[in-house]
Amino acid sequence: QVQLVQSGAEVKKPGASVTVSCKASGYSFTSYNMHWVRQAPGQGLEWMGWINTVSGDTKYSQKFQGRVTVTRDKSARTVYMELSSLRSEDTAVYYCARAAASLLAYWGQGTLVTVSS
Amino acid sequence: EIVMTQSPATLSVSPGERATLSCRASQSLSNSLAWYQQRPGQAPRLLIYGASTRTTGIPARFSGSGSGTEFTLTISSLQSEDFAIYYCHQYKDWPPVFGQGTKLEIK
Repeated sequence: QVQLVQSGAEVKKPGASVTVSCKASGYSFTSYNMHWVRQAPGQGLEWMGWINTVSGDTKYSQKFQGRVTVTRDKSARTVYMELSSLRSEDTAVYYCARAAASLLAYWGQGTLVTVSS
Repeated sequence: EIVMTQSPATLSVSPGERATLSCRASQSLSNSLAWYQQRPGQAPRLLIYGASTRTTGIPARFSGSGSGTEFTLTISSLQSEDFAIYYCHQYKDWPPVFGQGTKLEIK
């Protein structure tokens, strides 16, 4: 079955960077692209970016442009999301989600990133 | 960027009753609209795509309708597990955008 397993919770200081990984299994990795969505405490869903798992091409939300980088390792069947220059407002649960025509049918379990001094 | 507006923010309904949730887009989506359910502490789950097609395994009490800019999610007879937050999501244009969510709570 399709599984997306994300890395564990992180605590970071303001100004630092964080990398969250998302390991895929149960399907052909390069047949689907991957999105990243985040959710601040008590808030809604916010789309961050997308990667084409074949070419490595990416698209990012204007809001995160310049701070977010999504990469993939095809041999490891893993997608990575790095967010830099962290601030307290970046405290959130970060999700990877497998896309089919931008429909997010499968989601990882989420990774809590806490930014605190 | 397309703006998605959901209403109401909170909906209080008794178990066994019908719930109707709305989602409006700032421009036409044709039928490129999905609905997700999120229970506390869980990742979102895709319920409906193409405005009205249920994902495999989603009960028939969930139905979606609408096209263009106005969409509706109806839950015909609420079960205890249906009390959650529901998000609409447009995937017609970049960037993908979610509505702010409707919290469905027990009356």
